Amino acid sequence: EAQVTQNPRYLITVTGKKLTVTCSQNMNHEYMSWYRQDPGLGLRQIYYSMNVEVTDKGDVPEGYKVSRKEKRNFPLILESPSPNQTSLYFCASSKGQGFIQYFGAGTRLSVL
Amino acid sequence: AQRVTQPEKLLSVFKGAPVELKCNYSYSGSPELFWYVQYSRQRLQLLLRHISRESIKGFTADLNKGETSFHLKKPFAQEEDSAMYYCALIGNNNDMRFGAGTRLTVKP
Repeated sequence: EAQVTQNPRYLITVTGKKLTVTCSQNMNHEYMSWYRQDPGLGLRQIYYSMNVEVTDKGDVPEGYKVSRKEKRNFPLILESPSPNQTSLYFCASSKGQGFIQYFGAGTRLSVL
Repeated sequence: AQRVTQPEKLLSVFKGAPVELKCNYSYSGSPELFWYVQYSRQRLQLLLRHISRESIKGFTADLNKGETSFHLKKPFAQEEDSAMYYCALIGNNNDMRFGAGTRLTVKP
């Protein structure tokens, strides 16, 4: 089944404790992206990747890192999480720019 | 700057009534526009895109370049249409920008 898989689905952590949210897709998509969803602000793009080893900043990259060492994986790294990063995070993938994006189920992160 | 505006955070209609979810954009070029939907406890999924000009679940959206709008319409709303709807635009830098979303509630 074609899908985008995020892990974990729920995470509670404390300020400053490094964490990684994984994202994997099995559709051989070149384009992958991370968003955060906040009430009243909709979805905002954090980082995106056009292909392996090619990543770029979205609208709200501060406090986040990503890597794209393999086509199927696009982990989101929070080196030193802060409470303002408490949010619902979505990973998405597509064949490329302008193509339909497929979303993961979301990761709800709480930073205390 | 590319921007997507959904002026209504909440929209409530009765079953069988027409519904229109507004989306306005600012973009210097030929836009690629989409509507995504998020049903309760489900992931976001594409509803429709302006290029395909198709009707999905009875919804249509027409790109109006003069008014820079891409409103989503359905003539007869159903209770199962209750969801969060996001308008989105593909920007110059290959990034996708979403509006703030409109929560549609269809009452019986």
